[in-house]
Amino acid sequence: GDSVTQMEGPVTLSEEAFLTINCTYTATGYPSLFWYVQYPGEGLQLLLKATKADDKGSNKGFEATYRKETTSFHLEKGSVQVSDSAVYFCAPMTTDSWGKLQFGAGTQVVVTP
Amino acid sequence: NAGVTQTPKFRVLKTGQSMTLLCAQDMNHEYMYWYRQDPGMGLRLIHYSVGEGTTAKGEVPDGYNVSRLKKQNFLLGLESAAPSQTSVYFCASSYRGDYSNQPQHFGDGTRLSIL
Repeated sequence: GDSVTQMEGPVTLSEEAFLTINCTYTATGYPSLFWYVQYPGEGLQLLLKATKADDKGSNKGFEATYRKETTSFHLEKGSVQVSDSAVYFCAPMTTDSWGKLQFGAGTQVVVTP
Repeated sequence: NAGVTQTPKFRVLKTGQSMTLLCAQDMNHEYMYWYRQDPGMGLRLIHYSVGEGTTAKGEVPDGYNVSRLKKQNFLLGLESAAPSQTSVYFCASSYRGDYSNQPQHFGDGTRLSIL
């Protein structure tokens, strides 16, 4: 079945540092790919998405590129802020329809001033 | 816009008690989902619905039942609560459209403790 592997956290960074969170997946076909963010005490919010190979999703300074060859969708941000402290989830959409998502375990990011 | 609203936000139950979690969405979405979130395990799909009157099992359905009598509401029931069901429960909904790329919209969660 489909599966997602995310780098383990917590990832602790200083403000203005570069952030990268690795995500690889296994799937049948070419699923749409999503990154969600969860701030403390809140639900998940869509951060960005990519729907086909070589697409780059971007939002709030975050970027991720759909790499079909390596089945990866790594999340990057060039200069993090304290407000970026959250848990980040990689979530490919399952290819058996109905819009279901397969979530990774999540990566906690802590940004210190 | 309210989006996805979950009721209640917190609840403590005793083992063996029953309860229902309510999810309501005002976006006219066809698809709705119930997840549970446990530490280190991400979100796991319990049940989902692709339209009014339809439900289907997800990854971890045992011990839960669901109903979708109205398009905007999706109910999750625990008939006989067990400590293993202590978790944070999230509801989500999405537009059908081209279902391969429609994002899910999440509620703020229900924190449930079973003693």
